Amino acid sequence: GQNIDQPTEMTATEGAIVQINCTYQTSGFNGLFWYQQHAGEAPTFLSYNVLDGLEEKGRFSSFLSRSKGYSYLLLKELQMKDSASYLCAGRAGGSYIPTFGRGTSLIVHP
Amino acid sequence: GAVVSQHPSWVICKSGTSVKIECRSLDFQATTMFWYRQFPKQSLMLMATSNEGSKATYEQGVEKDKFLINHASLTLSTLTVTSAHPEDSSFYICSARDKVAGGLETQYFGPGTRLLVL
Repeated sequence: GQNIDQPTEMTATEGAIVQINCTYQTSGFNGLFWYQQHAGEAPTFLSYNVLDGLEEKGRFSSFLSRSKGYSYLLLKELQMKDSASYLCAGRAGGSYIPTFGRGTSLIVHP
Repeated sequence: GAVVSQHPSWVICKSGTSVKIECRSLDFQATTMFWYRQFPKQSLMLMATSNEGSKATYEQGVEKDKFLINHASLTLSTLTVTSAHPEDSSFYICSARDKVAGGLETQYFGPGTRLLVL
């Protein structure tokens, strides 16, 4: 089976940087996804990591360490609209279907 | 990017009735679509994987006779909640499998359907 673990809630200040961690345990490994989900809406794709290292995409970056079963999503220059739930999803080896974590609710305040 | 639509976005129904939810891929062909259910402050739980032209594969604990899935074309999958009860009230989200640049694969999600059974 798979186990995805991430903090339930985080708060941060507008303009700051926040790091959302995710640890995973999967049978084999076939990629790690991050999605953003605003309340009452469907998730939107943010990033996909399959190799170790940092992938930067504008204000958002995602990091993966396969040996540690660890990933993080880094959000820079936080804006109020970044308040949302951030879902970490891991994909087991040989599968194309990711398993989602519970999500981390990020609250950005002025 | 790939666009997935769902209809309806909101459903309120009486207990015992059946509700059909449509999921469409608007600008690409989706051989595989997924149906998820999400309760408040919970994770997305995969209910079933829908393959065009074949029977859906249901996750453990999901009643296939209660949640009927039909994937009749490459752009449309439907989920019918039969004899709905209040405990079926949830946020139902579909997604469709597509390939992005570089050969990576991801899922694009529909906007979701909120079901309230009275």
